[in-house]
Amino acid sequence: AQSVTQPDIHITVSEGASLELRCNYSYGATPYLFWYVQSPGQGLQLLLKYFSGDTLVQGIKGFEAEFKRSQSSFNLRKPSVHWSDAAEYFCAVGGEAAGNKLTFGGGTRVLVKP
Amino acid sequence: EADIYQTPRYLVIGTGKKITLECSQTMGHDKMYWYQQDPGMELHLIHYSYGVNSTEKGDLSSESTVSRIRTEHFPLTLESARPSHTSQYLCASSDRAGADTQYFGPGTRLTVL
Repeated sequence: AQSVTQPDIHITVSEGASLELRCNYSYGATPYLFWYVQSPGQGLQLLLKYFSGDTLVQGIKGFEAEFKRSQSSFNLRKPSVHWSDAAEYFCAVGGEAAGNKLTFGGGTRVLVKP
Repeated sequence: EADIYQTPRYLVIGTGKKITLECSQTMGHDKMYWYQQDPGMELHLIHYSYGVNSTEKGDLSSESTVSRIRTEHFPLTLESARPSHTSQYLCASSDRAGADTQYFGPGTRLTVL
């Protein structure tokens, strides 16, 4: 069965500082990996995705993520955080072996200090 | 990117009422999904559909039902709402391109008193 672990429930970062959110997955075949962001009371917005090719993926809002197969990780990074980046971030894994259904991690809530 | 709509955005109702949560998408996506999300928690798949007249239950057991009579429309119904159904319900759709990337609606926050 596929699973996703986001070890950090909360992260607090100062505005302008760098941010890294961790994501570890378990999947028995070639994974498709996604990062979504959710603002309070809203749906999920896709930040970026990986399904083949370059293991460093660029997304919207200045985010990037790196797929490391050997570590079963897909960590999300941003070099300089803005106050508007305060939100909940979800990592998800899917793939053809699972009928392309997604399994989500528990989320990481990011707080941004001025 | 998909345009996907959910109505109502917020709903407060009494126990025992029948409710239908609406979800529509305008991109012609074959696949549609319903997720349940408690505040601050992860998403759990409760229903999905791979096309018209196709519906399946997801990983989390739910007393709700769904139908898919038209490609663009995927409503979720609760015949008799209970306080345990209080949650946020998120609808998503995907197409076959790009690893079936799912695009989400804004959600319906349901409160059953």
